Amino acid sequence: DAKTTQPNSMESNEEEPVHLPCNHSTISGTDYIHWYRQLPSQGPEYVIHGLTSNVNNRMASLAIAEDRKSSTLILHRATLRDAAVYYCILRRYGGSQGNLIFGKGTKLSVKP
Amino acid sequence: NAGVTQTPKFRVLKTGQSMTLLCAQDMNHEYMYWYRQDPGMGLRLIHYSVGEGTTAKGEVPDGYNVSRLKKQNFLLGLESAAPSQTSVYFCASSYYIRDSTVPSYNEQFFGPGTRLTVL
Repeated sequence: DAKTTQPNSMESNEEEPVHLPCNHSTISGTDYIHWYRQLPSQGPEYVIHGLTSNVNNRMASLAIAEDRKSSTLILHRATLRDAAVYYCILRRYGGSQGNLIFGKGTKLSVKP
Repeated sequence: NAGVTQTPKFRVLKTGQSMTLLCAQDMNHEYMYWYRQDPGMGLRLIHYSVGEGTTAKGEVPDGYNVSRLKKQNFLLGLESAAPSQTSVYFCASSYYIRDSTVPSYNEQFFGPGTRLTVL
């Protein structure tokens, strides 16, 4: 699976939008972009995924660059509960049994 | 639905002792996984299973064994614990995409973790 690069940490103020970047310059045409997050002392949870088009769900939005070499996870209004480590992961369609390869992720701090 | 549950939540072992971690899921998922997470690191895959009676090695399988005798359970065993196995262990499960011609994903659902310390 191709590698992703994320900033180690980011800060945000409560109720402001947050843009979490991810670079994946070696992405292949069949790689899906997945985001998971891990709240303190919990297991990871799925946030969102996409292939080429921007995606929205109840938790977040995913903006994918036209060349797919980067993407941005957007939290529209950060809450204190959004403080977590966010992982950007590439998953190859049809890839081996759905294994996830986690990097170190971005630790998001949210200030009240 | 309880989702994915793990037993125990915490455990302290002495070097050389053995133990089994139990993962259970009630979502009828085909796939199950065991990961470990060391401080400040992302998760690393230990072993996984694509169905009852089948298991396979992940990225860091040494020192661990697994069994999937029932679809809903996935057991992780440490035969002779070592301090290097001190970690938080997460189990996960996901459904199986049967139609491989359709682009799709299989979201993984994670358990709450087991914190293991080996002295």
